[in-house]
Amino acid sequence: KAGVTQTPRYLIKTRGQQVTLSCSPISGHRSVSWYQQTPGQGLQFLFEYFSETQRNKGNFPGRFSGRQFSNSRSEMNVSTLELGDSALYLCASSPIHPGSGEQYFGPGTRLTVT
Amino acid sequence: TQLLEQSPQFLSIQEGENLTVYCNSSSVFSSLQWYRQEPGEGPVLLVTVVTGGEVKKLKRLTFQFGDARKDSSLHITAAQTGDTGLYLCAGEGTSNTGKLIFGQGTTLQVKP
Repeated sequence: KAGVTQTPRYLIKTRGQQVTLSCSPISGHRSVSWYQQTPGQGLQFLFEYFSETQRNKGNFPGRFSGRQFSNSRSEMNVSTLELGDSALYLCASSPIHPGSGEQYFGPGTRLTVT
Repeated sequence: TQLLEQSPQFLSIQEGENLTVYCNSSSVFSSLQWYRQEPGEGPVLLVTVVTGGEVKKLKRLTFQFGDARKDSSLHITAAQTGDTGLYLCAGEGTSNTGKLIFGQGTTLQVKP
């Protein structure tokens, strides 16, 4: 089975712009979670989607949003980018919801905000 | 708020040595995962433990879930240079929300 894929892998944006990141889960996985990873804060949960519905959200401002499509693919959007949004954004898919706990991560999108 | 305290944060050892990484919390988790991450890549799932007291072995790696499901440990026997990387523990709360709480990670360097 193909793993979780994320596009693009690298992205450079300017403060104030917006960005959309894409994630394709493992075939058959219906739950998709997003995380932000920074050296200072580690991995922090952004949100989780199942059957096109956001089921859980982390403590991030409203500039961070996401959605899931009927084929389980997911996108996350960050508007009005700030320097502090520079991070590795990771998507993970899970075969069962409520979660079995097992989440499989993609390679991430490295976002740099200048 | 559920937190996972992972220790040590950094570990530099010689090839052939043994090591243990700890993951502790005051909260109960329904499951706990251990991941390994290489620079610039996503975390790779090593193991999931679900039952209190559970012990799982993966070649030279031994994972244990505490009886109360609040803590876990990862023990590596006879470390090899290929074990170098960032090790992360992650717990899923009892509410089964699909949200993982991550420890801060342990950076392991195994020197030849």
